[in-house]
Amino acid sequence: EVQLVESGGGLVQPGGSLRLSCAASGFTFSLHWMHWVRQTPGKGLVWVSRINGDGSGTTYADSVKGRFTISRDNAKNTLYLQMNSLRAEDTAMYYCVKGYTKQEYYNGMDVWGQGTTVTVSS
Amino acid sequence: QTVVTQEPSFSVSPGGTVTLTCGLSSGSVSTSKYPSWYQQTPGQAPRTLIYSTNTRSSGVPDRFSGSILGNKAALTITGAQADDESDYYCVLYMGSGTFVFGTGTKVTVL
Repeated sequence: EVQLVESGGGLVQPGGSLRLSCAASGFTFSLHWMHWVRQTPGKGLVWVSRINGDGSGTTYADSVKGRFTISRDNAKNTLYLQMNSLRAEDTAMYYCVKGYTKQEYYNGMDVWGQGTTVTVSS
Repeated sequence: QTVVTQEPSFSVSPGGTVTLTCGLSSGSVSTSKYPSWYQQTPGQAPRTLIYSTNTRSSGVPDRFSGSILGNKAALTITGAQADDESDYYCVLYMGSGTFVFGTGTKVTVL
């Protein structure tokens, strides 16, 4: 069974940093793109970032470009999101999402984790 | 800034049919955008329903179907059930490894 378990969320002051982790199991992690998607309370889903299977390719939404860094450790089956210069508008639930393989990456998101909450407030 | 538009809300009767759409503020949606659809009930993580326009994800009932209607992607629920009452989001692949979610549609079954 595919499982994605996020951790690392919490309360942080504006301008601060936080690193999210996502432990993956039940599939060959290194073969799949992985995504981070966020959702502000009561609002819609927003795609944040993606990384390809070997970690050599990353892309970001304009709203986080230059502040967030996605990475992965395939030996540990773990995905990360380093978030710097956090703003109030980054407050959201952050979901780790399994993407498709290199051959079908354009299909977007497949299996979703349960999310971890990030609150940016003084 | 590309906006992916969806109807804010829809009501459907139990057993009825509803079609949700996913469009672009500028341009049209075709299969080359590989539209996918996600269902989310309150307090839960989203669940993938459809990918690559019309392929159902594993375990998704066949009352959910995807298509292209005119210049938009579409999700049709045929024979709506009470537990289909959810928020539905589409995602489009915009190229170069980037994706954009739609604004979401709240479906009420009553």
